[in-house]
Amino acid sequence: SQTIHQWPATLVQPVGSPLSLECTVEGTSNPNLYWYRQAAGRGLQLLFYSVGIGQISSEVPQNLSASRPQDRQFILSSKKLLLSDSGFYLCAWSMRYTAYFFGPGTRLTVL
Amino acid sequence: DQQVKQNSPSLSVQEGRISILNCDYTNSMFDYFLWYKKYPAEGPTFLISISSIKDKNEDGRFTVFLNKSAKHLSLHIVPSQPGDSAVYFCAARLKAAGNKLTFGGGTRVLVKP
Repeated sequence: SQTIHQWPATLVQPVGSPLSLECTVEGTSNPNLYWYRQAAGRGLQLLFYSVGIGQISSEVPQNLSASRPQDRQFILSSKKLLLSDSGFYLCAWSMRYTAYFFGPGTRLTVL
Repeated sequence: DQQVKQNSPSLSVQEGRISILNCDYTNSMFDYFLWYKKYPAEGPTFLISISSIKDKNEDGRFTVFLNKSAKHLSLHIVPSQPGDSAVYFCAARLKAAGNKLTFGGGTRVLVKP
């Protein structure tokens, strides 16, 4: 069966510090991968998606970036965090014609 | 531009009664619709979906209805149980764009015992 991991589960970072969140998927090959963010009291906003290694599409211009160095690994990064980057970050995977399956999420607080 | 909207931010229902959650969309190219349930500090879990070529899909206590002409879908939960208390998101898929899902803003459901 497929599983999706995210770490860390929670993170508190100062403004201006770098960020690296990691997501890995097990039990499937060549999945589509996605990064979403849920800000406090808001819906889910798509940040990035990837249909293959090295292929990244950005949905929202901002100071975040994403990379997919391996088939089942998806990384969300920032060089300098802003207060507005606080939120709940969710990684998800799908095969071409199936529902998304979400990871447990990372709670990021930028102080 | 919000392409998927859930106009009711919250819903309170008595245990055993029906919960009806609504969702409207604007993009006629969406080909698949899904409902997710989310507890605080957890990832959303998939509940039920419906293809744009159908108007109803049922799975146990959950039924999703799609009205393409009105660009409207709804989720019925019957009977509602206290464990159903959560935030529910509807989502719409654009197959031609990397299988992207666009989510509504969510509806918080509270089922009272």
